[in-house]
Amino acid sequence: GQNIDQPTEMTATEGAIVQINCTYQTSGFNGLFWYQQHAGEAPTFLSYNVLDGLEEKGRFSSFLSRSKGYSYLLLKELQMKDSASYLCAVKGGFKTIFGAGTRLFVKA
Amino acid sequence: NAGVTQTPKFRVLKTGQSMTLLCAQDMNHEYMYWYRQDPGMGLRLIHYSVGEGTTAKGEVPDGYNVSRLKKQNFLLGLESAAPSQTSVYFCASSQGGSQETQYFGPGTRLLVL
Repeated sequence: GQNIDQPTEMTATEGAIVQINCTYQTSGFNGLFWYQQHAGEAPTFLSYNVLDGLEEKGRFSSFLSRSKGYSYLLLKELQMKDSASYLCAVKGGFKTIFGAGTRLFVKA
Repeated sequence: NAGVTQTPKFRVLKTGQSMTLLCAQDMNHEYMYWYRQDPGMGLRLIHYSVGEGTTAKGEVPDGYNVSRLKKQNFLLGLESAAPSQTSVYFCASSQGGSQETQYFGPGTRLLVL
């Protein structure tokens, strides 16, 4: 079967660092996405990992270990506007399977 | 560029009614997708298309039909709406090939009574 697991909710403080984990079991793997979705809005692209290792893009970094079926999204210097849901998604063939998302609350 | 647009933004249907959701993209993307998003369940793929004139089933296709007569448009039809189809529907498109990133429309909120 296909399964993507990520925590339902996390809370962090403004200015801090937070790591959102994602584990997956899928029948195919072409790459792993992270999307950000603010309440009532569409998902927007954050990162795409194909190979193992860390990809850094400004305050956001994403890590992938294909052998462990594991990824994480690292958010540094948290800002209030980072309060959103973060969706982990695995691309296999033509299809992308999404996790249920992690709702991040950033408090002052 | 408008990106991906969806029509309508919100709709209320009675059980048994039919409707069509329209998705349009102006990025010349080959691939288009329809998802539904329900609380606690994430995005689930309904149908997708890898090019004009092609369609394929996703995870949850029952009760829905699609058509891709023009490259820029992808229509999602509900022939006989049911309360279980109350959801937020997102359309997305991607360039295809090695360009995997999906660009999402703003969503359509559908309530079936």
